[in-house]
Amino acid sequence: QQQVKQSPQSLIVQKGGIPIINCAYENTAFDYFPWYQQFPGKGPALLIAIRPDVSEKKEGRFTISFNKSAKQFSLHIMDSQPGDSATYFCAASTPGTYKYIFGTGTRLKVLA
Amino acid sequence: ETGVTQSPTHLIKTRGQQVTLRCSSQSGHNTVSWYQQALGQGPQFIFQYYREEENGRGNFPPRFSGLQFPNYSSELNVNALELDDSALYLCASSLALRGDTIYFGEGSWLTVV
Repeated sequence: QQQVKQSPQSLIVQKGGIPIINCAYENTAFDYFPWYQQFPGKGPALLIAIRPDVSEKKEGRFTISFNKSAKQFSLHIMDSQPGDSATYFCAASTPGTYKYIFGTGTRLKVLA
Repeated sequence: ETGVTQSPTHLIKTRGQQVTLRCSSQSGHNTVSWYQQALGQGPQFIFQYYREEENGRGNFPPRFSGLQFPNYSSELNVNALELDDSALYLCASSLALRGDTIYFGEGSWLTVV
């Protein structure tokens, strides 16, 4: 019940395409859902985050869609660029448990 | 740049040895969490420190221990190193106890041989 399932494991898109990464959870107590971007040899960097009281959030080219009833959320990257090639992790946290549960990651490659 | 700094960046240890990893949190952040990230995996929560006390722990054995100092910096200590401890160790800082938004450092790469 504490897992966050992420798919796909890897993704290749052409420059300008819109990669979509999906995550699903079971624990309805989760109330904060961030996405992190990680380049090889670097720590994860926060991209964007959402709470269950909104269905969509946009920051620049990154959009989170959230479906509370389906217990799913997804990351969309508009007008993807080769510089977006990285590993993306979704995560979830529960009030008072002090920890993030991370998905297994999606390795994105954007072709020039 | 998140303002979270970790040291050392890389180190190699022998099985059975002990290691100490260090973290300076972002200015003003009073909560530090440690995560282990094995190659090709997502980060796994080890524990969190708030006001120099351990404030939550993941599924890691007691040979993983930590400290938080009055200036909010932190250490992760691992005793009796095993080969499976080889991973990227990430420190993350946050302001609130719940840590809604946590900011990661670049990590310390530990190789156990």
